[in-house]
Amino acid sequence: EAGVVQSPRYKIIEKKQPVAFWCNPISGHNTLYWYLQNLGQGPELLIRYENEEAVDDSQLPKDRFSAERLKGVDSTLKIQPAELGDSAVYLCASSGLAGLNTGELFFGEGSRLTVL
Amino acid sequence: RKEVEQDPGPFNVPEGATVAFNCTYSNSASQSFFWYRQDCRKEPKLLMSVYSSGNEDGRFTAQLNRASQYISLLIRDSKLSDSATYLCVVRAASTLTFGKGTMLLVSP
Repeated sequence: EAGVVQSPRYKIIEKKQPVAFWCNPISGHNTLYWYLQNLGQGPELLIRYENEEAVDDSQLPKDRFSAERLKGVDSTLKIQPAELGDSAVYLCASSGLAGLNTGELFFGEGSRLTVL
Repeated sequence: RKEVEQDPGPFNVPEGATVAFNCTYSNSASQSFFWYRQDCRKEPKLLMSVYSSGNEDGRFTAQLNRASQYISLLIRDSKLSDSATYLCVVRAASTLTFGKGTMLLVSP
């Protein structure tokens, strides 16, 4: 079974440019998460979806970040415009209905963003 | 005070050693606890859940102390392949919070 797929794996852009990341979760997983991970830090939640509904976006910097999961399957995270401080790894994860109880989130390999 | 705190390490140990990591959490309403493992430049993966009575999975033992609000992970007979960052994860309501992680380096 395929795991969580993310693209691109690496992206280098200049500041003020836009960037988008795509995530395809594990088939059948209704919960999708976007996390940000800086070097030497743990993953920090940006947004959590239950199907197509964003149920927790309290940590998403809405002035420049947006996300969508239109059909409740794959998702896109966008940054516009990017700032130097946005350089990080953007991790997508998915889980089934019992995900929060079991604590088992399945992460993709991440999209590593460098803003110059 | 951060919600989930861990000593970042690194912990340098020889093969065969026993090593323990602690993690403290600030939210007394936290309900579930987990340890994740993250290899260098890889994604985090669930290592084990932490149960109130303590639990063991092979060489790994996890314990929870609710009164003192900390959890621990003990690794016995360390292997080179155990070298990784170990992330403490705490669930309160619908929120999972990750610690910064503790780096373990096992040397020959």
